[in-house]
Amino acid sequence: DTGVSQDPRHKITKRGQNVTFRCDPISEHNRLYWYRQTLGQGPEFLTYFQNEAQLEKSRLLSDRFSAERPKGSFSTLEIQRTEQGDSAMYLCASSLGQLSGANVLTFGAGSRLTVL
Amino acid sequence: GENVEQHPSTLSVQEGDSAVIKCTYSDSASNYFPWYKQELGKRPQLIIDIRSNVGEKKDQRIAVTLNKTAKHFSLHITETQPEDSAVYFCAASRTSGTYKYIFGTGTRLKVLA
Repeated sequence: DTGVSQDPRHKITKRGQNVTFRCDPISEHNRLYWYRQTLGQGPEFLTYFQNEAQLEKSRLLSDRFSAERPKGSFSTLEIQRTEQGDSAMYLCASSLGQLSGANVLTFGAGSRLTVL
Repeated sequence: GENVEQHPSTLSVQEGDSAVIKCTYSDSASNYFPWYKQELGKRPQLIIDIRSNVGEKKDQRIAVTLNKTAKHFSLHITETQPEDSAVYFCAASRTSGTYKYIFGTGTRLKVLA
């Protein structure tokens, strides 16, 4: 698989439950990003990793959200005690992370979360 | 904090006409500006990008211009076709320090046949 993979593609859960999403980036990419997208809006930055290190996290992100990338390959995004306002598409993206120059983001298909 | 404003939010053009989408960014350290196209139900796909050391870049019917002084960049699509109909997002990023991308709110482009 040469693209960014996300699982599950769809998740419906009841308010208060925990959910976890997984992202498998392009294998040679060392940067991995999580974004959230709601209808009619642009992707909103959540966090990103350089290898296994989480380098930045949005200040707007609730502490119910946590992300990991333990071995510098796949990443998980967990949302605890979900709220209806968490309903959104969660997009993962990865990039080569060159030391110089720009790094092009490649997006996955997203994981759509619906909180009832 | 960092912000990217994008206008217009919707744009309808007749097939064959040109379309222009404009973005303004706030972080003066931004030096990489990609544009993404997102079709309904699909992932955002990169269509063109520009670095701060150039003022314009073209790729067939698509061009992007950058004015660093004004912190402003634009996407130009000429000879629009129905398949250009989609949501377009601009973004701004640094290439050192922090590598996060800040996206605009999107422009829904409709090309009328």
